[in-house]
Amino acid sequence: GQQVMQIPQYQHVQEGEDFTTYCNSSTTLSNIQWYKQRPGGHPVFLIQLVKSGEVKKQKRLTFQFGEAKKNSSLHITATQTTDVGTYFCAGGTSGSARQLTFGSGTQLTVLP
Amino acid sequence: EAQVTQNPRYLITVTGKKLTVTCSQNMNHEYMSWYRQDPGLGLRQIYYSMNVEVTDKGDVPEGYKVSRKEKRNFPLILESPSPNQTSLYFCASRQIALYNEQFFGPGTRLTVL
Repeated sequence: GQQVMQIPQYQHVQEGEDFTTYCNSSTTLSNIQWYKQRPGGHPVFLIQLVKSGEVKKQKRLTFQFGEAKKNSSLHITATQTTDVGTYFCAGGTSGSARQLTFGSGTQLTVLP
Repeated sequence: EAQVTQNPRYLITVTGKKLTVTCSQNMNHEYMSWYRQDPGLGLRQIYYSMNVEVTDKGDVPEGYKVSRKEKRNFPLILESPSPNQTSLYFCASRQIALYNEQFFGPGTRLTVL
């Protein structure tokens, strides 16, 4: 079945440093979504990418979808303590409306 | 307010004692799903439902049951809980198309002794 690998599993950064998490799928994706889960909270939708090579920005967050639609990344510029949490990617495949396959998540700690 | 609710939020039980975790959404979503979250394993899908009376297995369905008698409700049933079902459970819903964001409930922390 479809697998979505996400690295790193953990990342500690000093406040102000940049952060990147990567997702790789074993199959070509139709779309990829990113979610953020604050400590003690539930996953919250951040963004969706659909097109090959697509890049989207939300303030300090930059999301990319690979040309082959098998990988994606989330980059945070100049991290802040409010960025703390676990970031999940979730990939979907056309023809399988049933589910998104979630990566294992990257837990980000920002040290003040 | 658009939301997904789950009850209970926390539950400690013993092996073999049947339990039900309720999930309800007020967004008229066709698609509902249950996930369990374990350290290092991310969110793994247990069961999903694409509409009333339509349910199917996800990636880790063993030991769980679900039902979808009404559009808004999607309860998760553990007939005979075991310690390996100790986990954090999330219910989620979305409009049927894959390209729609999922809305998650607040989570249920289950401990099976």
